[in-house]
Amino acid sequence: AQSVTQLGSHVSVSEGALVLLRCNYSSSVPPYLFWYVQYPNQGLQLLLKYTTGATLVKGINGFEAEFKKSETSFHLTKPSAHMSDAAEYFCAVSGRAGGSYIPTFGRGTSLIVHP
Amino acid sequence: KAGVTQTPRYLIKTRGQQVTLSCSPISGHRSVSWYQQTPGQGLQFLFEYFSETQRNKGNFPGRFSGRQFSNSRSEMNVSTLELGDSALYLCASSSDGNQPQHFGDGTRLSIL
Repeated sequence: AQSVTQLGSHVSVSEGALVLLRCNYSSSVPPYLFWYVQYPNQGLQLLLKYTTGATLVKGINGFEAEFKKSETSFHLTKPSAHMSDAAEYFCAVSGRAGGSYIPTFGRGTSLIVHP
Repeated sequence: KAGVTQTPRYLIKTRGQQVTLSCSPISGHRSVSWYQQTPGQGLQFLFEYFSETQRNKGNFPGRFSGRQFSNSRSEMNVSTLELGDSALYLCASSSDGNQPQHFGDGTRLSIL
C-alpha cells in the first residue's frame, strides 16, 4: 500500500522568493517518487522523478527535490519563484504492482505567485 | 514526437447516457492508463492497459470499462452516467509501465 500527503492545499509566495512544497509518502516497497505540474485546462507534466541513486534530483524549470528516506519526504523547492510557476503541483509515489508502477497522487498544492 | 492525444476535449451528456473517450498514446508507448480527476476526490486511477490487456484496475464500479487496440490506442467507456461522473478524465502513456507517464490534456465530461 502506498499513500501521499501534500501539506498545504495552497502555498502563496512573492515573485523571487523561495518555493517550498511539502510531500510525505508511505510505501511498503522502495518507492519511485515524482512531482508533476498541472496548468489550467491541461494535463500533468513531469517535473522530476526519483527512482534510485542520488537523493537530490534536479528537474525542469529550476525545480529540485530531495528524497529523505528517514523522514519519508520528497519536498519540492525552487530558489526563486517566477509568475509562470503559478500552477497546481502533484506529488506521486509508485511501487511495483502487477508488472507496472502505477502512481498514487497527493491531493495537490496550488502555488500562487504574487508580483 | 507527438504527445498523448485525447478526444474529445469537452463533452456534455445527460444522466443515464453512455460515453466513450479516446486516447492515442505517444508513438511506441504500449502502456496506457486512465485517471479521473475531480475537486473532491483528486486524481484517482481507473485502469491500465498494456498490449491490449488490462493489467491493473482501480476501485471503480463496473460502469467504467476500457480497452486497448493493437496500435496501443485506448478507449474508455462509462455507461449509465451519473452526475458524480462529471470530471476531467486523463489518459497517460509510458513505454512499458515502468517509466514515468506522459499525460494528455484530458477530456472534460459534464453530466447534466
